[in-house]
Amino acid sequence: DAKTTQPPSMDCAEGRAANLPCNHSTISGNEYVYWYRQIHSQGPQYIIHGLKNNETNEMASLIITEDRKSSTLILPHATLRDTAVYYCIVSPRDGNKLVFGAGTILRVKS
Amino acid sequence: DAGITQSPRHKVTETGTPVTLRCHQTENHRYMYWYRQDPGHGLRLIHYSYGVKDTDKGEVSDGYSVSRSKTEDFLLTLESATSSQTSVYFCAISESRDRAYEQYFGPGTRLTVT
Repeated sequence: DAKTTQPPSMDCAEGRAANLPCNHSTISGNEYVYWYRQIHSQGPQYIIHGLKNNETNEMASLIITEDRKSSTLILPHATLRDTAVYYCIVSPRDGNKLVFGAGTILRVKS
Repeated sequence: DAGITQSPRHKVTETGTPVTLRCHQTENHRYMYWYRQDPGHGLRLIHYSYGVKDTDKGEVSDGYSVSRSKTEDFLLTLESATSSQTSVYFCAISESRDRAYEQYFGPGTRLTVT
């Protein structure tokens, strides 16, 4: 499975967009990009996934570059409750074995 | 929230004792997973199940066994607990192989082995 690189931490002002980057330069053609987050002391929460097109749902938007070597998760209007560790994962669609790395700690500040 | 419960939520046990953790789901999802989470290691897959009585090993399966006799229950057993198994254990479920990426996690069980 392709590996991912994320910044260890980021800060964002409440109400502003949070843009979380992820590099996955070794991604292969059948691998999807998935994002999860984990709020302190809770289980991880699935956010969004994509293959090559940009995706949007009620929680976030996912922008994948044309060469698929990097992506950005966008939380359009961050709130204090979005403070969490965000994980970028690359895996085939039938990814039973999701591998969670260290992720990015996002701190939303008022 | 997906209907996933874990029991117990907290447990303290002594080295060498057997421990069983239970994951119960009300979503009728086919796939179930057990992860452990430790500082510096992130989440690591222990075992998973792709149907009743169908299980497979994950990344860190040594010292653990699992059983799934019903769709809704997935049990994780530590036959003889060791201090290295002190961790937070998460259960997760997913609907199907095609949606295996979309996993829903339970609240976790904090296990301390003294």
